[in-house]
Amino acid sequence: DQQVKQNSPSLSVQEGRISILNCDYTNSMFDYFLWYKKYPAEGPTFLISISSIKDKNEDGRFTVFLNKSAKHLSLHIVPSQPGDSAVYFCAASGIQGAQKLVFGQGTRLTINP
Amino acid sequence: NAGVTQTPKFRVLKTGQSMTLLCAQDMNHEYMYWYRQDPGMGLRLIHYSVGEGTTAKGEVPDGYNVSRLKKQNFLLGLESAAPSQTSVYFCASRPVGGGKNIQYFGAGTRLSVL
Repeated sequence: DQQVKQNSPSLSVQEGRISILNCDYTNSMFDYFLWYKKYPAEGPTFLISISSIKDKNEDGRFTVFLNKSAKHLSLHIVPSQPGDSAVYFCAASGIQGAQKLVFGQGTRLTINP
Repeated sequence: NAGVTQTPKFRVLKTGQSMTLLCAQDMNHEYMYWYRQDPGMGLRLIHYSVGEGTTAKGEVPDGYNVSRLKKQNFLLGLESAAPSQTSVYFCASRPVGGGKNIQYFGAGTRLSVL
């Protein structure tokens, strides 16, 4: 049972425009959410996160929105740049125990010049 | 600052062979994790450790064993490799507390089992 889902395997956006990546989750016990970025032949790197007590978190060109009632989060990248082309994973965790991360399947973002 | 280092980067095994993947971190992190990444399935947790001398099963532990004899090292073993274990393996670590569950990943080990 996939607890964290990214339903779009790929997304193509023109340079300078907004990229919106979506993620849905089913477990209401998740209370911390993260986005990771992954380039080919490298490990995932942390991008941005949000706690369940917030509905928005910004870091430069990256903003994550959380809608707890819909169990949905999204990552907005504005403006999109060629270097943003990568695979993006959303992940979720609870506050107890080892705080294991549950990952979505990933979305491959391609920024076209 | 090396962060999380995985050895080897690539490996090809024959069915039934054994091998050990090494993960080393120099950040003094308590928690360490092993994941596998398969196409269309994201990262799935194999085993994890909350401190030296401890290990626990994750989502997909069958066919793997782990050991955490030293705080900085987390070993993943395949006793009898199967083609279904062809995957990319990632190790991650994170500190205790801090309020943010951010895990730091190594570059991965690409394993093919023929």
